[in-house]
Amino acid sequence: GAGVSQTPSNKVTEKGKYVELRCDPISGHTALYWYRQSLGQGPEFLIYFQGTGAADDSGLPNDRFFAVRPEGSVSTLKIQRTERGDSAVYLCASTTTGGIGELFFGEGSRLTVL
Amino acid sequence: GQQVMQIPQYQHVQEGEDFTTYCNSSTTLSNIQWYKQRPGGHPVFLIQLVKSGEVKKQKRLTFQFGEAKKNSSLHITATQTTDVGTYFCAGRPQGGSEKLVFGKGTKLTVNP
Repeated sequence: GAGVSQTPSNKVTEKGKYVELRCDPISGHTALYWYRQSLGQGPEFLIYFQGTGAADDSGLPNDRFFAVRPEGSVSTLKIQRTERGDSAVYLCASTTTGGIGELFFGEGSRLTVL
Repeated sequence: GQQVMQIPQYQHVQEGEDFTTYCNSSTTLSNIQWYKQRPGGHPVFLIQLVKSGEVKKQKRLTFQFGEAKKNSSLHITATQTTDVGTYFCAGRPQGGSEKLVFGKGTKLTVNP
């Protein structure tokens, strides 16, 4: 596709459940970022991939959060034992050069934990 | 860790007035970017500044990067209703990770 695609666009789940959020970056983009944005806040950095490897995962809040990018393209953010505080919009972005390029964001996945 | 602070948090102006938002980093940056997010939308890239003291213009928007590469500003001349949205600065720390750290943004509303 032409842009960054994220699915699902909306996810409602119950506390304690497991959730997967998918990101399909722009074709050819080697770098991929995950951010979390709560209402009225700026995007909060979670993790950054260069190719298949996580170059910086310092923003993951705890070990319930995990992300993979096995073939260097599509990425999945996985959240175990969801908590109400995990409710937010999860944004994915990709870029060509990683270190200096502009980020192209997807529309986000809105996660609501009841 | 690195922090990026933005002020003001909110700004309401009359159409035609000027608007400025300021961004300050706790650490020296290799570059800084600015994004605009419309209500209900996702952040959209506006510009990137790399050099110390750099100034760039895009029509009514002027972007500056401080001499010490720790602060930046965005100035909009003669605001229009189409300028409504939240403006974020985002900085990459110098000599470290390539992660991009966003400020909390300045939400601009324009009264026609």
